[in-house]
Amino acid sequence: RKEVEQDPGPFNVPEGATVAFNCTYSNSASQSFFWYRQDCRKEPKLLMSVYSSGNEDGRFTAQLNRASQYISLLIRDSKLSDSATYLCVVNNGYSSASKIIFGSGTRLSIRP
Amino acid sequence: AAGVIQSPRHLIKEKRETATLKCYPIPRHDTVYWYQQGPGQDPQFLISFYEKMQSDKGSIPDRFSAQQFSDYHSELNMSSLELGDSALYFCASSQGQEGSPLHFGNGTRLTVT
Repeated sequence: RKEVEQDPGPFNVPEGATVAFNCTYSNSASQSFFWYRQDCRKEPKLLMSVYSSGNEDGRFTAQLNRASQYISLLIRDSKLSDSATYLCVVNNGYSSASKIIFGSGTRLSIRP
Repeated sequence: AAGVIQSPRHLIKEKRETATLKCYPIPRHDTVYWYQQGPGQDPQFLISFYEKMQSDKGSIPDRFSAQQFSDYHSELNMSSLELGDSALYFCASSQGQEGSPLHFGNGTRLTVT
């Protein structure tokens, strides 16, 4: 089992819809969590950090559930420009870069 | 705001040649990371530097080496290139605070023919 798992999708939803996806992690000691978006052949871009209390940035809401060991990303009123791959990133240890674990990404496609 | 700068954007090399990729981190970021991403794969960690010293090593082949210089820029040196080295190579940087996110450069696309 991978340390960080995501549903690969693709999620294909109409513009304006609400879409949510989860990311599960296996290490209960994981310390920080992030969502990145990556467009085809481009670099991952930080979308948002995920805080214990949950956080919102415009149409995007991130939640952390430590008991069940997952984080979620909710996108409201989806736009065509939201089409991308969303990467879940978990940091399992501050002292080691190799403990920054990437999920394989969830592909999202917004249709007109 | 200044971002991570990588050069070159594209590089085409033949098998057994060498390549050097450069990375200029965000100013005042003290940690630099190198990642390799093949088609349809998530980024694979290669190596990282903290304050110009190698801090961690991932799945970096022995044919590759890297260093960080006094001005904090980093270079990834790749020798005896193989077809399988064709990939996107990303550099990222972060501030030293625990749990701070990585900020990625726009990558170098290496094609080995």
